[in-house]
Amino acid sequence: QKEVEQNSGPLSVPEGAIASLNCTYSDRGSQSFFWYRQYSGKSPELIMSIYSNGDKEDGRFTAQLNKASQYVSLLIRDSQPSDSATYLCAASGSARQLTFGSGTQLTVLP
Amino acid sequence: DGGITQSPKYLFRKEGQNVTLSCEQNLNHDAMYWYRQDPGQGLRLIYYSQIVNDFQKGDIAEGYSVSREKKESFPLTVTSAQKNPTAFYLCASISSDIYYGYTFGSGTRLTVV
Repeated sequence: QKEVEQNSGPLSVPEGAIASLNCTYSDRGSQSFFWYRQYSGKSPELIMSIYSNGDKEDGRFTAQLNKASQYVSLLIRDSQPSDSATYLCAASGSARQLTFGSGTQLTVLP
Repeated sequence: DGGITQSPKYLFRKEGQNVTLSCEQNLNHDAMYWYRQDPGQGLRLIYYSQIVNDFQKGDIAEGYSVSREKKESFPLTVTSAQKNPTAFYLCASISSDIYYGYTFGSGTRLTVV
């Protein structure tokens, strides 16, 4: 069974701090990794995708991938209350399927 | 604007009843997927289809059925055999370039009454 595990949370950080979200995956064949943000009652929206080992930055978001350790992370700098949501990590598999983790609930405190 | 439309937004099912959730996309994507999300949990794959007239079971297909008669449409039927159907159902599609990830519909919340 291919699995994606996320730190269960919930995670609370003060406004302006760095939020760190972590994810591990079991399928060494996974090539692409994604972070989705999901607000309560809404569908997930893609915020970052990463293919290659190392860091990828987009605005306040940085995704990090280490394929040797089968580890993916998301850093959110200068966290804002609007970042409060559940963050889902996903790894690609066959047939362009994505396997999702159970999510980490983030609360940014004003 | 291109996107995925799911309907209805809310659906109530009586015991023993079959219900169908609609999913339509105008993104010209070949592959479409149905996921189920339970409170506090991630997404679990029900069925997926990579081309018209072909589909495969996902991890939790029991009690569900699908069809793919048109590229744009991938409806999901929740049958009476699904004993615990109350959940949030998400339809997604993806282009040939996986880099862009899934595009999701807005979801259907199904409740058994």
